[in-house]
Amino acid sequence: QSALTQPASVSGSPGQSITISCTGTSSDIGAYNYVSWYQQHPGKAPKLMIWDVTNWPPGISYRFSGSKSGNTASLTISGLQAEDEADYYCASYTSSDIYVFGTGTKVTVL
Amino acid sequence: QVQLQQWGAGLLKPSETLSLTCAVDGGSLRGYYWTWIRQPPGKGLEWIGEISPTGGTKYNLSLKSRVTISVDTSKTQFSLKLSSVTAADTAVYYCARNGLRDCVDWGQGTLVTVSS
Repeated sequence: QSALTQPASVSGSPGQSITISCTGTSSDIGAYNYVSWYQQHPGKAPKLMIWDVTNWPPGISYRFSGSKSGNTASLTISGLQAEDEADYYCASYTSSDIYVFGTGTKVTVL
Repeated sequence: QVQLQQWGAGLLKPSETLSLTCAVDGGSLRGYYWTWIRQPPGKGLEWIGEISPTGGTKYNLSLKSRVTISVDTSKTQFSLKLSSVTAADTAVYYCARNGLRDCVDWGQGTLVTVSS
């Protein structure tokens, strides 16, 4: 099972919106609405930001939103803030009945 | 939200078996899936496997022959064993509690280094 493909880096200025893509196949993202997104600050454990494509866990800002089209899922961060600077990973359930993570995207706030 | 505390040997020699344990603080193992994930230094996350409330397991296909995840319900702990380790297994290993199809609560991570 190959890792899902994410851009290595995305950047934006404070207040702007950015979108991170996560591309898989018809055996994972394209087959199920089971995509989650994680935020990871340096030296910290990942934190769940979005589950099942569009849902927020308790306490997560609505500035983070998820969507999916075909084999590609996306995470949009609106009103970018300095604290959003981190690594972001997508993950998906697959037809092999296991899970796969994305390659990761470093978000830089300019 | 539960707290997960994990521990295990941090330095192994090639061919040895990695053994990590994760304890659930403030909750029960019952009714939840439990997952192990790893992250090589400077690299991305890799899903290792999970165990169900009934003890059923699923593993990353690339690690399946070497991995065992088990649960000790009496101690509210679950464990990871990875046999025949090599330098490629050097990583920070995380335990996690599943929500539906995601990892909601995470342990603090344990760095395991494989070196002769």
